Amino acid sequence: QQQVKQSPQSLIVQKGGISIINCAYENTAFDYFPWYQQFPGKGPALLIAIRPDVSEKKEGRFTISFNKSAKQFSLHIMDSQPGDSATYFCAASTGGSNYKLTFGKGTLLTVNP
Amino acid sequence: NAGVTQTPKFQVLKTGQSMTLQCAQDMNHEYMSWYRQDPGMGLRLIHYSVGAGITDQGEVPNGYNVSRSTTEDFPLRLLSAAPSQTSVYFCASSYALGFGETQYFGPGTRLLVL
Repeated sequence: QQQVKQSPQSLIVQKGGISIINCAYENTAFDYFPWYQQFPGKGPALLIAIRPDVSEKKEGRFTISFNKSAKQFSLHIMDSQPGDSATYFCAASTGGSNYKLTFGKGTLLTVNP
Repeated sequence: NAGVTQTPKFQVLKTGQSMTLQCAQDMNHEYMSWYRQDPGMGLRLIHYSVGAGITDQGEVPNGYNVSRSTTEDFPLRLLSAAPSQTSVYFCASSYALGFGETQYFGPGTRLLVL
C-alpha cells in the first residue's frame, strides 16, 4: 500500500519557468511533510518542510502548498534554473518524527537552459 | 564535522554471503535510520534507532539486522544476501524530533548481489 503518491514521475521545464510536483497521502495521522532534493550519486537533502496547520510555506524560490481537506501537498519551484535539475521526493511522517519517513516515488526534474 | 559517513561506497556480493554496511555520524544525533532506494520506488525505511540500545523495524526489515551500541554508529547487517537486496542504501541521522529538525543523509552504499 503506497501511502504517499507523487506525480509526475518526470518533468521537463524551461529555464525561468515554474516547476510543480504534487503529492497525495492517505494516512490522516501524518503531521510532518518534508520535501527532499537529490542529485545523482548523492544522498537526499532536506529542501523545505511544512506542518498541516499552515497552508503554505515559502523559502526563496521554493514553496509548499498544503491542502489538508484534500490530503494533498505540492512543491512549486519558481524561476526554475538548470541547477535545480535533480530528483525530488515528497515524504510524510507521524508525531513529527523526521527519522521515520514515508517517501513518494520521486520526480526527476530537468530544467533546460 | 564529517556529517554522516557510510562505508563501503560500492560492494558486490554473491547470493548467500553476509556483510555489514557501516554508518557513522559525528553530530551527536540521537536518531538514526536506514533506507533503501530502488529505481521508481523512492526510499523505503528498513530500520531505525531512537538512541543507543534502542532499535525498531521500518517498512522493509526482512533480511536485515541492526544494532546501536553507541550514539555514533548504526551498522546494517545482511545475514544472507539475496538478489532482491540489490539497491542503494542510505543511512540518515537527526538530532531531535519535530518540525524543522533536519534529517541528514549519508552518501549511500551501492550494493549488487549476484
